[in-house]
This record gives sequence, structure tokens and C-alpha cells, in this order.
Amino acid sequence: RKEVEQDPGPFNVPEGATVAFNCTYSNSASQSFFWYRQDCRKEPKLLMSVYSSGNEDGRFTAQLNRASQYISLLIRDSKLSDSATYLCALGGGADGLTFGKGTHLIIQP
Amino acid sequence: DAGVIQSPRHEVTEMGQEVTLRCKPISGHNSLFWYRQTMMRGLELLIYFNNNVPIDDSGMPEDRFSAKMPNASFSTLKIQPSEPRDSAVYFCASSPFGAGEQYFGPGTRLTVT
Repeated sequence: RKEVEQDPGPFNVPEGATVAFNCTYSNSASQSFFWYRQDCRKEPKLLMSVYSSGNEDGRFTAQLNRASQYISLLIRDSKLSDSATYLCALGGGADGLTFGKGTHLIIQP
Repeated sequence: DAGVIQSPRHEVTEMGQEVTLRCKPISGHNSLFWYRQTMMRGLELLIYFNNNVPIDDSGMPEDRFSAKMPNASFSTLKIQPSEPRDSAVYFCASSPFGAGEQYFGPGTRLTVT
């Protein structure tokens, strides 16, 4: 099993819809979880951290399920500008991050 | 505040040549990371430093790759000799020590012909 797995997509979603995708991980000892957003030919940018109690930031909600070893990202009222690749990442602290290959999201007008 | 700075932004070189990538982390950040991104393998951690000391270089693919951090504001990643399979985007990232969040530079797009 790969360390971090994501459905590569693409997810084609109409503007205004809600979309959710997951990221599964194999290392049960992972302590830190993040979602990054990467636009085409740009660097990854931190979208949000994922806390054990869940985390909400405006239209974005991230959750962690330790028992099933996955994190999720939900985007409500999707905008055209949400089109990007979403990378999940594990680890952090004083160590480097292990990234998934990303889920490609396309918001259609 | 300036973010992570990388140079050059693009590099095209011939197989066998030496390539040096440069990174200036965000001021005050104690940890620096080098990543490589390709379509096939995604984003991979190559090496990271804490307080200028290399901590884990297990991601460095071969002895042709080396990295240094002579001071808190500068790091280099060198490939010698370069090969076509080294073609990728190389990112540098930094974070405050112990913090999970990392901040990426714009990357260096390397093409080895």
C-alpha cells in the first residue's frame, strides 16, 4: 500500500456545487496532516491544517479519521477559482512532509 | 515579507553538466526542505535541514545529488553530472522549527537534454 493515496481525478464539478475528496494514508503513527493547493505550474500553497477535531475555514472543511486512516476535504459553494490540484500531506513538525500525488479539481461554469 | 526565494526559475542544460539550484528561506525559519516534483512520482522529499544541519538525506536519489546549507539564509542543491531523468521541478520550502506548515518557493524547472 502506498504511503499516501489520492484519487487523481479529474473531478468535474458545476459551480456552486459541493465537492469532497479523501486521502488515505498507511502510517498510523502520522501526527500532522495538511491540505495544500497547487495551481498549474505554481508551487504548492498551504490551504489548511487538519486537526483531530476537524477544521473549518469558510467554505472549506477538513476532517481526520484516524481509525480508518484518511483525511477529507469538503468544499461548499464551489467557485471557478477553486479549480486546482489538491495535495494532502502528512508528517511535518521537524520532519519533511509526505505528499499524495494530488486530486485535480475542475469547476465548470 | 518576502517568501522563499529560488534561483534560477528555469534551467536548461546538457547531460553531464553540473547544475546548482539556490534557495533563500523565509527569515526566521529554522527548517529547510528540498523537494522534487514529476508527473510520474509526484512531490518527493529529497533532504531537509534543521538549524543548517542536514537531518535526513534518504530521499536523495544518488550520489550525484548533494545539498548544503552554509548559513541560515542560503542553501544549494547540486547535481553533478546531470542526466535527462533529473528533469523535474525542484522546490525549496521552509518552516519555523517544529511547525508542521511549510512554505514553498516558486520552484526551479530543470530540463536536462
